[in-house]
Amino acid sequence: DIQMTQSPSTLSASVGDRVAISCRANQSIGTWLAWYQQKPGKAPNLLIYRASTLQNGVPSRFSGSGSGTEFTLTIITLQPDDFATYYCQQCHSRPWTFGQGTKVEIK
Amino acid sequence: QVQLVESGGGVVQPGRSLKLSCVASGFTFKNYGMHWVRQAPGRGLEWVAVISFDGNKEYYLDSMKGRFAISRDNSKNTIYLEMNSLRVEDTAVYYCAKDRGHCSGGTCYSVGIWDSWGQGALVTVSS
Repeated sequence: DIQMTQSPSTLSASVGDRVAISCRANQSIGTWLAWYQQKPGKAPNLLIYRASTLQNGVPSRFSGSGSGTEFTLTIITLQPDDFATYYCQQCHSRPWTFGQGTKVEIK
Repeated sequence: QVQLVESGGGVVQPGRSLKLSCVASGFTFKNYGMHWVRQAPGRGLEWVAVISFDGNKEYYLDSMKGRFAISRDNSKNTIYLEMNSLRVEDTAVYYCAKDRGHCSGGTCYSVGIWDSWGQGALVTVSS
């Protein structure tokens, strides 16, 4: 199984900050990577797929980059609605697997 | 808009069975693979199973093989997850999710990207 590792586990930031979350795969997955946002008590929401393609309706302050084994989710100008937990997920091969999550909290 | 509504969650004793349902609307259900993804309390996300658009192919996380069965009824826009021999560690919120796949040449493909999710069904396995 492909293992996904995110860093940091928790990130403290302020409204207006630029934040970056890293995700690493233990083998090359090309650009078969997705990012999800999850708020407490809610289902995850797809933000980005194929490493850098923004899902319809997702604000342009979200962006994704990377290929192979190293990926980054960047949020420019953090908004109050962005405080949540973010998961990366490899969609290269079954079983599809997630990172452990990064919680973005208010500083 | 796409809507997925799960039902069937509850409290069950270890070793017993439970069947979840997920009713879909707002898209051409028969053209998409559908998945179950779970999340244990306070934990991360774990993919459980997928069923192809036509119900002919199913894949499972290894730890679920032989215990869980995914199925679908395209006439009812519904997928199911039958869970047998339940364990305490199966306690989780179970989400059904729509694959962001595509159709080509008469076949529809699942890509393991989930663009719509239900609200989740809580399954608690406890004696």
